[in-house]
Order: sequence, then C-alpha cells, then structure tokens
Amino acid sequence: RKEVEQDPGPFNVPEGATVAFNCTYSNSASQSFFWYRQDCRKEPKLLMSVYSSGNEDGRFTAQLNRASQYISLLIRDSKLSDSATYLCVVKGTGGFKTIFGAGTRLFVKA
Amino acid sequence: GAVVSQHPSWVICKSGTSVKIECRSLDFQATTMFWYRQFPKQSLMLMATSNEGSKATYEQGVEKDKFLINHASLTLSTLTVTSAHPEDSSFYICSARDKEGQGDYGYTFGSGTRLTVV
Repeated sequence: RKEVEQDPGPFNVPEGATVAFNCTYSNSASQSFFWYRQDCRKEPKLLMSVYSSGNEDGRFTAQLNRASQYISLLIRDSKLSDSATYLCVVKGTGGFKTIFGAGTRLFVKA
Repeated sequence: GAVVSQHPSWVICKSGTSVKIECRSLDFQATTMFWYRQFPKQSLMLMATSNEGSKATYEQGVEKDKFLINHASLTLSTLTVTSAHPEDSSFYICSARDKEGQGDYGYTFGSGTRLTVV
C-alpha cells in the first residue's frame, strides 16, 4: 500500500461546480497535512494546510479525519483557473520527511 | 515571502555529460534543502535531503555517486547529475526550509529544472 494515495482523476467539471478530492495515508503517526497545487510543468505551491478542526479559505475547504486516515479538499464554485493537479502532502514523524501523493488532476470547463 | 531561485529552468544535454542544477534561497537561510524528481504524471519523489555543511542523506534507491549534492552555504545547494543518461530525463525540483520553518509553512519550492538527456 502506498504511503499516500490519491485518485488520479482526471476530474472534468463545469464552471461553478463543486468538486471534492480525497487522500488516504497509511502512517497513523503522521503529524501535518497539506494540499498543494501544481500547474503543468511548474513547481508545487502550497494551497492550504489541513487542521484537525477543518479549515476554510474562500472557496476551498480542507478536512482531516484521523480515525479513517484521510484528508479531503472541497472546491466550491469552480473557476477555469482552478484547473491544475492537486497534491496531497503528509509530513511524517522522526524528521522532515514529507510524502507527496501522485496528485489529482482537475479540469474545469466553460 | 520566502523565495527559492532554481536554475537552469531547462537543459538539454548529451548522454554521458554532467549537469549542475543550482538552488538558492534569496531572502532566508536554508539550513535544509530537499531535492525531488518528478516523472510525467507521477508524484514528486524525494531524492535526498541536504543540510548545510554536512553530507546529504539519500533516499533508498538513489545513487549518491550519480547525483552529487553540495550544500556549501546557507543559501546555495547544488545537484549534479553525473554521466547523465536518457532515463535521467525528468523534472528536478528543490525545496528549502529555513531556520524558522519549524511549523507548517517551512517549505518553499524552486521553479524546477526540466532535464532532457539525448
């Protein structure tokens, strides 16, 4: 089993749609969780951290479920500019090792 | 915010030659830098972690003699791909962590280097 797993997609949604991504992780001792966005041929950029209580940033909502070992990202009112690959990132214990998921590709169409 | 400059952005080289990629932290001291490789449609894979003034720690399966990492100062780390072969063609990205980056926001990525070996 991979340490971090994501549905690769692609998700094809119309503008204005709501879309959700899930990511599961295998290490129950994982400490920190993030969602990164990566545009084609560009470096990943931090979208948001994921807190145990859940957190929201505009149209984006991130949630963590430690019992089931998954995190989620919800995008409301999708924009064309949201088209990208979304990477789930989990930081383990015992140092700075960080595991990236393979990413979920999102295409938002007019 | 923290900025990491990586260059070259892309490079094409002949098989058997060596390529050096630089990663610089512009406005902070990067005590730790990470080097990743990403093949098309795949995840970022950590290759090695370098700490200023000490030897890099390589991930399992990464040849340290092929991928030479030097982190000689708090603002510069270099990755040299020695005797490059076509299978080394990939997207290489560095990431830096500053002294104060103890929290969740400690990772800043360079813009990546696309290496094509012909």
